[in-house]
Amino acid sequence: DAKTTQPPSMDCAEGRAANLPCNHSTISGNEYVYWYRQIHSQGPQYIIHGLKNNETNEMASLIITEDRKSSTLILPHATLRDTAVYYCIVTTSLQGAQKLVFGQGTRLTINP
Amino acid sequence: SAVISQKPSRDICQRGTSLTIQCQVDSQVTMMFWYRQQPGQSLTLIATANQGSEATYESGFVIDKFPISRPNLTFSTLTVSNMSPEDSSIYLCSVSGLIGRGTDTQYFGPGTRLTVL
Repeated sequence: DAKTTQPPSMDCAEGRAANLPCNHSTISGNEYVYWYRQIHSQGPQYIIHGLKNNETNEMASLIITEDRKSSTLILPHATLRDTAVYYCIVTTSLQGAQKLVFGQGTRLTINP
Repeated sequence: SAVISQKPSRDICQRGTSLTIQCQVDSQVTMMFWYRQQPGQSLTLIATANQGSEATYESGFVIDKFPISRPNLTFSTLTVSNMSPEDSSIYLCSVSGLIGRGTDTQYFGPGTRLTVL
């Protein structure tokens, strides 16, 4: 699976959009980009995933560049409860058999 | 998504003993996984729990230390054997391939926090 690079930490003001970048320059054509977050040692929470097109759900938006070598997770109106470690993971999706390789992620702190 | 529970949620154990962690999911799934998260570190995959056959272990993890069972499509156990303080970690169960729902997304349980004295 392709390796990802994320900044170790970021800060964002409450109510503003939080934009978390991820580089995955060695991504293959059949690999998806997944985002998870982990709030204070709880189990990781699935946020969103995509292959080529931008995706949006009730939690976030995922913007993938045209060459697929990088992506940005956007939390449109960050709240204090969004403080967490955010993981960007690239993996194939083979009928649920994908292994997730977690890097160190980005520790996002939302400030009041 | 799936609702996943783990028991116990936390435990403090003496070195040399063993602990079995249970993972229960509220719907049938094709895949179940076990991860370890050591203090201050990211998650590392221990093994894939296979129904009806031996688990598939990742490099650095062996069956004698981490025996795994998966008797059906909704339940799995991980045993941490002959524990030492280095085994103090959060152990997490995850599932994917929700049968009948057509999703490959992997969902995680709440974790079991283990401290070995």
